[in-house]
Amino acid sequence: KQEVTQIPAALSVPEGENLVLNCSFTDSAIYNLQWFRQDPGKGLTSLLLIQSSQREQTSGRLNASLDKSSGRSTLYIAASQPGDSATYLCAGSGNTGKLIFGQGTTLQVKP
Amino acid sequence: ETGVTQTPRHLVMGMTNKKSLKCEQHLGHNAMYWYKQSAKKPLELMFVYNFKEQTENNSVPSRFSPECPNSSHLFLHLHTLQPEDSALYLCASSQDRGYTGELFFGEGSRLTVL
Repeated sequence: KQEVTQIPAALSVPEGENLVLNCSFTDSAIYNLQWFRQDPGKGLTSLLLIQSSQREQTSGRLNASLDKSSGRSTLYIAASQPGDSATYLCAGSGNTGKLIFGQGTTLQVKP
Repeated sequence: ETGVTQTPRHLVMGMTNKKSLKCEQHLGHNAMYWYKQSAKKPLELMFVYNFKEQTENNSVPSRFSPECPNSSHLFLHLHTLQPEDSALYLCASSQDRGYTGELFFGEGSRLTVL
């Protein structure tokens, strides 16, 4: 059964720091991986999608990579800002075709 | 309107009530999903519809009844719920069912069962 672990569960950093969020899958056969952001009481906003033929994606200050051999993904946030404070979730689909979510990393960026 | 819209945003109901959640997507997608998000648990997939046909039901209790009249609209009918059903219910859509594309979510409907 595919399970997703996100480390750390919570993170607090001062503004301007670069940071890395981690996501790992028990089954490394990941077909598709997506990173989301969720603000309190809100829905999920798609940040980056890494499809089967790709290894990384970049959008502005965000970079996500996927190592299929190990079943690990990282989300790199450069020059963090208070507006980046939110919960970040990763989700991956494998051979079953189901998208499995991690529990998220709650990020606080302090001014 | 753009994206995925869910109504109502907040709902409080008693255990004997019947209510419905509505989802509408304006993205021209063919697949729609219901997810449940409870505190301290990962998102749980409930139902999947592809081209109006239900393709997945993840052992969801019958007190939750989905309906998909067309590719743009998805409902979740609720009846005789339990307090443990209190959660954020999220609707999502994607171009196709196979999870090869990007998943887009609505803002969610926060349900409280008294």
